[in-house]
Amino acid sequence: AQKVTQAQTEISVVEKEDVTLDCVYETRDTTYYLFWYKQPPSGELVFLIRRNSFDEQNEISGRYSWNFQKSTSSFNFTITASQVVDSAVYFCALSEGAGTNFGNEKLTFGTGTRLTIIP
Amino acid sequence: DAGITQSPRYKITETGRQVTLMCHQTWSHSYMFWYRQDLGHGLRLIYYSAAADITDKGEVPDGYVVSRSKTENFPLTLESATRSQTSVYFCASSDLGLPSVTDTQYFGPGTRLTVL
Repeated sequence: AQKVTQAQTEISVVEKEDVTLDCVYETRDTTYYLFWYKQPPSGELVFLIRRNSFDEQNEISGRYSWNFQKSTSSFNFTITASQVVDSAVYFCALSEGAGTNFGNEKLTFGTGTRLTIIP
Repeated sequence: DAGITQSPRYKITETGRQVTLMCHQTWSHSYMFWYRQDLGHGLRLIYYSAAADITDKGEVPDGYVVSRSKTENFPLTLESATRSQTSVYFCASSDLGLPSVTDTQYFGPGTRLTVL
């Protein structure tokens, strides 16, 4: 069975510091998809990134970057120069892609990391 | 407006009552999902549906019933609500076919259910 572990329950950093959120996953499939979602205090789930298991290239989007390492089954998320608006709960999720839906099937979520940015 | 909507957004009910949470999407997505979110558990899949009239259990299906007579609707029913079903419920949808790198499941705004 697939599993996602986010060992960091809560993290607090001072504004402008960099912070890394860890995500470790388990799956028996060779084809799978990894996701990060942000849940701000308003409660909605905001999609951040999708990565398939064949693409280990790191991704950078503005202040956000993701480090995917199959050797350690990790998909870590770094926020550079954090801002108060980054305060949220962040979820890592996994979808096995053995079916025909290319990873759009059911997601297994980690328990989330609550990130607080202190002004 | 296009998108995925849930109703009601907030619901308070009593133990033993039947409650139905509604989910509606306007994209004609094939897949629809119900998750519940609880502290310490993240989001857990309750049921999902690959198409109209096709549903399957997720991780935590006990005490819930779903139906999908139309592609755009996926109601979730708690037949006899219990306090342990107090949670935030999210509906989601996704499409078939090769997705772009930005494709994902699209989530509704959530329904906060309290069972007294």
